[in-house]
Amino acid sequence: GAGVSQSPRYKVAKRGQDVALRCDPISGHVSLFWYQQALGQGPEFLTYFQNEAQLDKSGLPSDRFFAERPEGSVSTLKIQRTQQEDSAVYLCASSLEAGGNTGELFFGEGSRLTVL
Amino acid sequence: DQQVKQNSPSLSVQEGRISILNCDYTNSMFDYFLWYKKYPAEGPTFLISISSIKDKNEDGRFTVFLNKSAKHLSLHIVPSQPGDSAVYFCAASVANFGNEKLTFGTGTRLTIIP
Repeated sequence: GAGVSQSPRYKVAKRGQDVALRCDPISGHVSLFWYQQALGQGPEFLTYFQNEAQLDKSGLPSDRFFAERPEGSVSTLKIQRTQQEDSAVYLCASSLEAGGNTGELFFGEGSRLTVL
Repeated sequence: DQQVKQNSPSLSVQEGRISILNCDYTNSMFDYFLWYKKYPAEGPTFLISISSIKDKNEDGRFTVFLNKSAKHLSLHIVPSQPGDSAVYFCAASVANFGNEKLTFGTGTRLTIIP
């Protein structure tokens, strides 16, 4: 596809369940980011990949959060033992260059996670 | 600690008039600033950006102004159109940090009244 694709668009999980969110970045994009957007807030940085290397995971809120991008394209954000405070929209974004710092990220539509 | 602040949660403007959205930041290391626009159920889309070496950048109806001494930037939209109704996020980053990690504000919901 032409844009960043995320699935599922909506996920309802029971507290304690594990979830996996998928991101298909724009083909050829080197950089991939995950952001978390809580209701009424701006997106908050979670983690960054340059190709398959996870160069920054400083925003991951706990060790229940894990992200991977094994072949440098598709990425998965996994949340183990979900808690109610994990309820948010998870946004994936990609950009063509690494460290080019144009700042122009291309965002997907997000995966809305609701933890009951 | 909110490093990028948008103090107006909402703004209503008459069609054809100027819309001015404001943003303040506290981290003096920020040297690249962006505005993103977000429609409901969609991801944010890039609108316009400015480097700290400039004080103004213009792109069609959109102009961003940067006042480094005040740590303030603003987005001007003129003339405002109904399709401009959206949530606008201000974002900032540190150049040469090695990635385009962005720090976002909480957003301003702009409503253009026909």
